[in-house]
Amino acid sequence: EEQLLESGGTLVQPGGSLRLSCAASGFSFSSYAMSWVRQAPGKGLEWVSAISSSGVRIHYADSGKGRFTISRDNSKNTLYLQMNSLRAEDTAVYYCAKDPNSRDYYFAWYFDLWGRGTLVTVSS
Amino acid sequence: QSALTQPASVSGSPGQSITISCTGTSSDVGGYNYVSWYQQYPGKAPKLMIYDVTNRPSGVSNRFSGSKSGNTASLTISGLQAEDEADYYCNSYRSSSTLVFGTGTKVTVL
Repeated sequence: EEQLLESGGTLVQPGGSLRLSCAASGFSFSSYAMSWVRQAPGKGLEWVSAISSSGVRIHYADSGKGRFTISRDNSKNTLYLQMNSLRAEDTAVYYCAKDPNSRDYYFAWYFDLWGRGTLVTVSS
Repeated sequence: QSALTQPASVSGSPGQSITISCTGTSSDVGGYNYVSWYQQYPGKAPKLMIYDVTNRPSGVSNRFSGSKSGNTASLTISGLQAEDEADYYCNSYRSSSTLVFGTGTKVTVL
């Protein structure tokens, strides 16, 4: 069974840093692009960042540019999101999501598999 | 990055059809056929319902269909059932290699 399991969410102070992880299983992780999507409490979905299957192509939403870094370790079947200079408005459940495109450099721009999410709370 | 515009809520009786609109611009919905739709129950992860405007993943009921006209995409749910009560989000590729979600629509089955 294909699965994604996020971890690393916790309470962090404004200005702090945090690294989220997403462990993939049940599919060939190295073959697919991945993304992070977040959802603030009671709010809608917001795309955060995407990375191609090899990690060569990376894209960010304006909200995370310069503060967030997406990466992946295909040998560990794991996706990461390094978040620095965190703000209260970054408080959200962070989901990792699988893009079904299996050609490197390309994205299908939709998500056929989602994790359960991990909650990040930025507060003093 | 401004979100795509969806109605906050749509309701219908069991068996009826409802349509959820998703309005963007020529830089996203109108310019690309990369529109997808997601269903989300409270406290759960989103589930893909439609991709590339009109395509339905295997396992998704054929009561769900998608379309697009100009800068507005639509999700139609026919034969509305109690289990369809959830939040629905559209999503579109936007120029400069970004993705944008809609504001979300709460579907209520009366």
